[in-house]
Amino acid sequence: IAGITQAPTSQILAAGRRMTLRCTQDMRHNAMYWYRQDLGLGLRLIHYSNTAGTTGKGEVPDGYSVSRANTDDFPLTLASAVPSQTSVYFCASSEDSNSPLHFGNGTRLTVT
Amino acid sequence: GDSVTQMEGPVTLSEEAFLTINCTYTATGYPSLFWYVQYPGEGLQLLLKATKADDKGSNKGFEATYRKETTSFHLEKGSVQVSDSAVYFCAQSSGGSYIPTFGRGTSLIVHP
Repeated sequence: IAGITQAPTSQILAAGRRMTLRCTQDMRHNAMYWYRQDLGLGLRLIHYSNTAGTTGKGEVPDGYSVSRANTDDFPLTLASAVPSQTSVYFCASSEDSNSPLHFGNGTRLTVT
Repeated sequence: GDSVTQMEGPVTLSEEAFLTINCTYTATGYPSLFWYVQYPGEGLQLLLKATKADDKGSNKGFEATYRKETTSFHLEKGSVQVSDSAVYFCAQSSGGSYIPTFGRGTSLIVHP
């Protein structure tokens, strides 16, 4: 089934550890996005990529990094996790800027 | 900058009641407008969209009309069901920016 796959589904991580959240899409979409969702704050954009080889910062990029080596994969890395990064993380993709987003099922991350 | 404002929830209704969730936007260009729905434990999924003024998007009994004069895209349903209980997000995308803008979400709770 075409779509977006995120891994892991959930993770408990000690503060200070490094963690990479994986995201893969099989729709050959140009644009990909990482959002975090927190109660009362809605969805906040962390980083995005318009096309393979390019990335950009969103609303809340600090403490996160991304890469886009190819069209399908868009991993999100927390270099040194902190408790405020406890959240649900969603990866999404879209064909172009006027097309709807397709979302993965999210990664629930708890930093202790 | 571009923004989306939607009514705060939760919205609590009895089954078969009429639903309206208000959404207004600000945009420098002519955005495409979307409503997404998020069921518990899942990612967002597209509910409906409209790409130009006066377009009406519809799906699963939900409707929304792109009103350029009032910069609005209110979501309506004539008779809600318990299964409609979810969080609803209004969003816009403007050509070229590749950065979709989301509202904060409105939780809908439908009682039998």
